[in-house]
Amino acid sequence: LAKTTQPISMDSYEGQEVNITCSHNNIATNDYITWYQQFPSQGPRFIIQGYKTKVTNEVASLFIPADRKSSTLSLPRVSLSDTAVYYCLVGDAGYSTLTFGKGTMLLVSP
Amino acid sequence: SAVISQKPSRDICQRGTSLTIQCQVDSQVTMMFWYRQQPGQSLTLIATANQGSEATYESGFVIDKFPISRPNLTFSTLTVSNMSPEDSSIYLCSATGGEGQPQHFGDGTRLSIL
Repeated sequence: LAKTTQPISMDSYEGQEVNITCSHNNIATNDYITWYQQFPSQGPRFIIQGYKTKVTNEVASLFIPADRKSSTLSLPRVSLSDTAVYYCLVGDAGYSTLTFGKGTMLLVSP
Repeated sequence: SAVISQKPSRDICQRGTSLTIQCQVDSQVTMMFWYRQQPGQSLTLIATANQGSEATYESGFVIDKFPISRPNLTFSTLTVSNMSPEDSSIYLCSATGGEGQPQHFGDGTRLSIL
C-alpha cells in the first residue's frame, strides 16, 4: 500500500508558479498518481492524473521522475482563487488500493 | 466528467439513530466509492460500492455499521447505523468511468450527531 507524504502547507503570491511535491516511495507498478483540489464545504475536484514523465492540461502540469517515487504538481501563475487544499492520491488502475495524502494547504496572497 | 449529487447535504441526528445518504450520478459509471473526511483531515476510504453484489469494505469499517447499496450503475446509498458522536464527519461519494480513469466526487454530506 503506497503511503504518500506532502508538505502540510505552502504560501505563495499571485502570479507565481507553485510546485507541490508528493513522495510515494512504495508506489507499485500499476499505480497512477492523481491530484485533487478541495475548497471548504466542497468535494475534491480532479486536477490531473499521470503514470510517468510529464502530463499537462489547461490548469496544471504533473512531473513524475523515472523512479516514480515522487511527483510534483505545478500550478502556473496562481491566483487568490487557487487557495485550497491539494491532495495527492496514489492508486492502481483497478482501484483496489487508494491512498490519499494528508493534503497541502496552499495560501495565495495578493 | 460525471456530475455527482449527494443528499442530504447536511444533517443533525440523534445518538442511536441511522441515516441513509444517497449518491446519484448523471451517467453510468463503473465504480462508486464512499469516503469519510473528518474536519481538517484527509479522506479515508470506507468501501467500494459494487453493482449487484456486496460492497468491499476497508479495514476498520464493517457492513453492520455502514451498509451500502448499489442497485444500478448510477446510484448508491450509504447508511450510517446506530450513530454516536464519533460518527460526526463528512461523508463523500465518488465515481469513476472505468479502469485508470480518475474519480469524481460529490460535495459530501456533513453529519453531526448529538
